Amino acid sequence: GQNIDQPTEMTATEGAIVQINCTYQTSGFNGLFWYQQHAGEAPTFLSYNVLDGLEEKGRFSSFLSRSKGYSYLLLKELQMKDSASYLCAALDSNYQLIWGAGTKLIIKP
Amino acid sequence: ETGVTQTPRHLVMGMTNKKSLKCEQHLGHNAMYWYKQSAKKPLELMFVYNFKEQTENNSVPSRFSPECPNSSHLFLHLHTLQPEDSALYLCASSQDGAGGQVGELFFGEGSRLTVL
Repeated sequence: GQNIDQPTEMTATEGAIVQINCTYQTSGFNGLFWYQQHAGEAPTFLSYNVLDGLEEKGRFSSFLSRSKGYSYLLLKELQMKDSASYLCAALDSNYQLIWGAGTKLIIKP
Repeated sequence: ETGVTQTPRHLVMGMTNKKSLKCEQHLGHNAMYWYKQSAKKPLELMFVYNFKEQTENNSVPSRFSPECPNSSHLFLHLHTLQPEDSALYLCASSQDGAGGQVGELFFGEGSRLTVL
């Protein structure tokens, strides 16, 4: 079956760096998305990777290894507003999105 | 207004009630979606509409009935729901209308449904 695994919850300190991992098993692969969802709000797009490597966008970076079925989201210089859930989703060969259950990130002062 | 708007934001209903959720997108997108979000579970795709035509129904019980009168509006009609249907219902849209879910999704803030 198709599956996405990511940690349920992580805690980090303001100003630090945190890496949220995501592993996927899908029938074919057409890219991987990361979304951010603050409590009570809509998920919002963060990144899309389809080629191996690291893509940087300000304080956030996303990495993909297709051979390992692995991605991570790297958040630098953490701010309190980064407290949110981070959703990983992979596109399979039929362009269907397979979602993870999300990682709740708690930032402490 | 911009983006994707959902109403109502909160809804409490009994198991015998009939209610509807509404979604409107102001982005000129061709595809619209209904998702169910339950605590600590992955997003569950319920329905997909491309150019107003339903292209996906992921074995959703008939007590959920979607309606897409045009490419900007999407409804989810609710009838004789069960307590386990309590969840956050998210509407989303995307530019791509060619089938599947290619491209970035734009979500509404969701309708929090409680079934008593």
